[in-house]
Amino acid sequence: EPEVTQTPSHQVTQMGQEVILRCVPISNHLYFYWYRQILGQKVEFLVSFYNNEISEKSEIFDDQFSVERPDGSNFTLKIRSTKLEDSAMYFCASKGGQGATFWETQYFGPGTRLLVL
Amino acid sequence: DAKTTQPNSMESNEEEPVHLPCNHSTISGTDYIHWYRQLPSQGPEYVIHGLTSNVNNRMASLAIAEDRKSSTLILHRATLRDAAVYYCILGSGSARQLTFGSGTQLTVLP
Repeated sequence: EPEVTQTPSHQVTQMGQEVILRCVPISNHLYFYWYRQILGQKVEFLVSFYNNEISEKSEIFDDQFSVERPDGSNFTLKIRSTKLEDSAMYFCASKGGQGATFWETQYFGPGTRLLVL
Repeated sequence: DAKTTQPNSMESNEEEPVHLPCNHSTISGTDYIHWYRQLPSQGPEYVIHGLTSNVNNRMASLAIAEDRKSSTLILHRATLRDAAVYYCILGSGSARQLTFGSGTQLTVLP
């Protein structure tokens, strides 16, 4: 069964450093998402991406964050200058072909655990 | 997005059925009811979804009240692997993001 993959599985970084989290969505999917989950808290939406542009973003997704689809397979989340409070599990998800609707399944990756020291 | 209310936690014995409730009294006519679950240290995974009629798949059944203000996820025979946080999520329209609440932490006892 096709799956979403994410690298690295764990990343430790110093406060103020830039990190790039990578995701390979399911190959024929067109809608891409990043979520995060701070330890012990809810899964929170960060950003959605379709047709090479951001569709929606949450208040969390400020100027420190950016997303990119640099080639036909990868989808990346960059945090420019990490803060302690960015420590969380980051999940990538993808769904659907053209015209996908809400009810279509989002497929989540296993996550990247980011620790900012 | 319409709000959902779920119990914080539930327990079940292994190999017994589990009924996980969700209240969504402000559901709109076009809202689908989705259930996802999150196993420990994993990303969320899809379980089932429905609009008005009850639904069955290989993982679970979804029973939707006639007025659609509540639904119940049914695991017919809980296994230890079913221990997870179960999320009831509403939404409609375009391919928007999922809005996760706190969910129900299901503990399965051997």
